[in-house]
Amino acid sequence: KAGVTQTPRYLIKTRGQQVTLSCSPISGHRSVSWYQQTPGQGLQFLFEYFSETQRNKGNFPGRFSGRQFSNSRSEMNVSTLELGDSALYLCASSLRDSSTDTQYFGPGTRLTVL
Amino acid sequence: GDSVTQMEGPVTLSEEAFLTINCTYTATGYPSLFWYVQYPGEGLQLLLKATKADDKGSNKGFEATYRKETTSFHLEKGSVQVSDSAVYFCALSDLDSSASKIIFGSGTRLSIRP
Repeated sequence: KAGVTQTPRYLIKTRGQQVTLSCSPISGHRSVSWYQQTPGQGLQFLFEYFSETQRNKGNFPGRFSGRQFSNSRSEMNVSTLELGDSALYLCASSLRDSSTDTQYFGPGTRLTVL
Repeated sequence: GDSVTQMEGPVTLSEEAFLTINCTYTATGYPSLFWYVQYPGEGLQLLLKATKADDKGSNKGFEATYRKETTSFHLEKGSVQVSDSAVYFCALSDLDSSASKIIFGSGTRLSIRP
């Protein structure tokens, strides 16, 4: 089974621009979560989507948004980029079965904001 | 809120040494506990997990036991190899009725000398 894939792997943007990152979960997985990883703040939860609905949201400003499509693929969008948004953005998928809550991570998208 | 505390790094050991990375957690519910590993330039890989008290997770020679009485999930390996050099994250997942998210510790960088 193919793992979680994320595109693009690397991205360079300038302040004020917006960016869209994509995540394809493992086949059959219906939940997709997004995390931001920075040297200073570590790994922080952004949001989770299940069956096209946002189920949970972390403590991030409204510039960070996401969505999930009917095939479970997900995108996250960051508008009005700031220098502090430079980070590795990780996507994770899981079955969201009541007995299985293991999340499997993709390789990440490294975003650099200049 | 829920949180995870793990020992500060970096940890440097010689090959074949015994490894312990301490991890303690605070949670109101009954979380699942995880160890994830991140190799340079890559995303997170699930190393092992435990879903209830006294469970022992194990994989690739690593093991950790879910200790509810001490709220701990220490990672151990009897004989480390150079290829074990990576950053290790302790994490918990508190699956509730509406959503799940993972809360990570700050990570411990492990370097193994040949």
